[in-house]
Amino acid sequence: AQSVAQPEDQVNVAEGNPLTVKCTYSVSGNPYLFWYVQYPNRGLQFLLKYITGDNLVKGSYGFEAEFNKSQTSFHLKKPSALVSDSALYFCAVRDPNNYGQNFVFGPGTRLSVLP
Amino acid sequence: NAGVTQTPKFQVLKTGQSMTLQCAQDMNHEYMSWYRQDPGMGLRLIHYSVGAGITDQGEVPNGYNVSRSTTEDFPLRLLSAAPSQTSVYFCASAKGGEQYFGPGTRLTVT
Repeated sequence: AQSVAQPEDQVNVAEGNPLTVKCTYSVSGNPYLFWYVQYPNRGLQFLLKYITGDNLVKGSYGFEAEFNKSQTSFHLKKPSALVSDSALYFCAVRDPNNYGQNFVFGPGTRLSVLP
Repeated sequence: NAGVTQTPKFQVLKTGQSMTLQCAQDMNHEYMSWYRQDPGMGLRLIHYSVGAGITDQGEVPNGYNVSRSTTEDFPLRLLSAAPSQTSVYFCASAKGGEQYFGPGTRLTVT
């Protein structure tokens, strides 16, 4: 069965500093990996995905993520954090061979960017 | 395109009442799903559908029913509400491996 772990409930970073939000996954085959962001009282918004190809994936709002197959990780990064990046971030995995049970989400990491 | 829409935005129910959460999408996506979001637990899949007339259970289906008579609509029915169903509910549709989420329904059961 597929699963996702986000080891940090909360990440605090100063504005202008680089940020990393960690994600590790478990899936039987080659995974499809996603990051979503949720702002207060809003639905989830897509940030980026890894399907195949280059291990470094670039997404919306200056975010990027690096797929590391040997470490089964897909950490979200941004070179310079903004206060407006403060939100709840979810990592998700999909086993492409298991369409019906599609996405499994991690518990979320709350990012606070301090001015 | 409106994307994925959900109604109502907020709802308060008494224990034992029933209700239907509405979800509609205008992107002609075959796959639709319902999640509930609880603090510290991420999103958990309740039910999903891979096309009109086809539905299946997710991780936490008990107490919920779904149907899919059209590609556009995927309502979620609470048969007899319980306080444990207090949560935020999200509907999503998907195509090409990416999910599009509605704005959510915040449900409180007293």
